[in-house]
Amino acid sequence: EADIYQTPRYLVIGTGKKITLECSQTMGHDKMYWYQQDPGMELHLIHYSYGVNSTEKGDLSSESTVSRIRTEHFPLTLESARPSHTSQYLCASSEMGTAGEKLFFGSGTQLSVL
Amino acid sequence: DQQVKQNSPSLSVQEGRISILNCDYTNSMFDYFLWYKKYPAEGPTFLISISSIKDKNEDGRFTVFLNKSAKHLSLHIVPSQPGDSAVYFCAARTGTLTFGKGTMLLVSP
Repeated sequence: EADIYQTPRYLVIGTGKKITLECSQTMGHDKMYWYQQDPGMELHLIHYSYGVNSTEKGDLSSESTVSRIRTEHFPLTLESARPSHTSQYLCASSEMGTAGEKLFFGSGTQLSVL
Repeated sequence: DQQVKQNSPSLSVQEGRISILNCDYTNSMFDYFLWYKKYPAEGPTFLISISSIKDKNEDGRFTVFLNKSAKHLSLHIVPSQPGDSAVYFCAARTGTLTFGKGTMLLVSP
């Protein structure tokens, strides 16, 4: 099993603050993803990366940015948090196997913007 | 427009019985289908997958069936156990994964 870590687990922050959600994986996976999920809704892809120095925007329009300077690290930054950013943020990395690409998710960061 | 649909928000089953979770899709280009299980306040965990060239894949108590002509797949859990109670997400792949909204399964003792 892949080891993938997200910090913080929970974050309550005021409107306008800049925040960075951390994500690290120890499996050496090249592909990494950020998803956003609200209760009862699908996971929406907001950013992904094929490897170092590669970042792509996902399907969901997002006011966040990501960077991939090292293989194991894929942080997500919100420059100015708003209440509409309140959600669960899930980071994942993936490997290819006989059953196709398999994603391994972190435990998520539950963000509340007041 | 949702490309992956899980039309049942919830399902209740008794322990020992079969649980059947359904998923419909619209994009014929999907080449892999996956099921993930999610507990509250945790990330999803991979359960089972199936390639679009197959119609069945089995792993222990979990079996996934794919009907390409109907653009439908289902996850069968037998026998169901209380620990299976969670939200189950269907996902389909064309490059990146597209997820459904999930079905909450409750298995009662």
